[in-house]
Parts: sequence; structure tokens; C-alpha cells
Amino acid sequence: AQTVTQSQPEMSVQEAETVTLSCTYDTSESDYYLFWYKQPPSRQMILVIRQEAYKQQNATENRFSVNFQKAAKSFSLKISDSQLGDAAMYFCAYRRNDMRFGAGTRLTVKP
Amino acid sequence: EAQVTQNPRYLITVTGKKLTVTCSQNMNHEYMSWYRQDPGLGLRQIYYSMNVEVTDKGDVPEGYKVSRKEKRNFPLILESPSPNQTSLYFCASSFRDDYEQYFGPGTRLTVT
Repeated sequence: AQTVTQSQPEMSVQEAETVTLSCTYDTSESDYYLFWYKQPPSRQMILVIRQEAYKQQNATENRFSVNFQKAAKSFSLKISDSQLGDAAMYFCAYRRNDMRFGAGTRLTVKP
Repeated sequence: EAQVTQNPRYLITVTGKKLTVTCSQNMNHEYMSWYRQDPGLGLRQIYYSMNVEVTDKGDVPEGYKVSRKEKRNFPLILESPSPNQTSLYFCASSFRDDYEQYFGPGTRLTVT
């Protein structure tokens, strides 16, 4: 079964700095999708970014970008110019048919 | 507004009292699913549905039932709730099984 591992339960970053959240996954499939979701204190799950496994180019959404290493089965999220509103739980997710989530990384942003 | 709605948002109940959490989406999505979120475990899938009248078990289906009689609705049924089902529940939908999922606001369930 596919598993998703987020090895950093908590991370902290200074406002305006850059932080990288790690995610690895295990799969024998070649076609799949990867996502990062943000969960602020409101508990709402918000899509941050998605990556198709067949695309070599790393996805980017404004201040959010990923480093997708397919051979290494790694999918890290980089947040540039961190803002106070980025403080949240971040979940990495793998999808092929069903969806698997990591345990999450709690990001704190210090002013 | 495109959205996934869940009701109720908060529920406190007692062991053994049957309950239903409703989920509805207005995006004409084919795929719908239920998750539970527990501290340190992330989100775990309970059941999912690829289309009307098609449902499948996820990772943690024990103690839950679902039905998909209409495309827009996907209720979660707990026939005899137990305290270990105390959790935060999310309903989600997507256009297909390879698209990102849109999540409802969550239902906080406490079983005493």
C-alpha cells in the first residue's frame, strides 16, 4: 500500500524567510498525483499546490513551489517570503484512485 | 458558490445512538469520499465513491456505512457509535479520481 511520510512534525520560520517542508512517499506506480494541503486553525483543508508525476517541471504557485524528485520519491514544499498567514498544518498527499495523507507538519511563523 | 457542505458541524452523542452526517456537493463531481482526522495520524480514508451506487472501503471502514443514491450526496452513517469514533470528519469531492479534492468544513464528533 502507498504510504506518505512527513518526517518533520513541527517547523518554525521567521517572517519573510524561506522554509522547506519534507515529504516522501512509497509507490510502485508510475502515474499518480501529489498535493500539498494547508489546514489553518479554522480546520478547513485548502489546496496549496499539485504536481502530476508525469511532469518533470516542478509546480509553482506564487510563493509556493515544490521540489519533485520522482526517482527518490520525494516531494518537498518550499515557502518563500513566509507570512504570518502561512502558519498552519501542512499535509502532503499522494493520489492514484484513493488519496493518502502524511501525518502533517505544523508550521509556525515568527514575526 | 462551488462548495462541499457537511452537517452537523459539531455533534456530541452517546455510545450506541445511531447518527448520520450529511455531505453534499454542488460541483457535479463524480468522486466523493469521507476521511477522519486524528492527531498525529493525518487524514485517513473511511469510504469513497467513484459514482452513483458505487462505493468502496478505504483504510478505516469498520463501524461506518455510506450510500450514494444521488450524485451530489454522500452521507456517512454510524449505526452504533463508540468512543473510539470521536474524531474530526471531512467529506471531500473531486471531478475524477485523479484530480484534487475539495473538502467540506469538517464535523467534530464526540461520542461519550
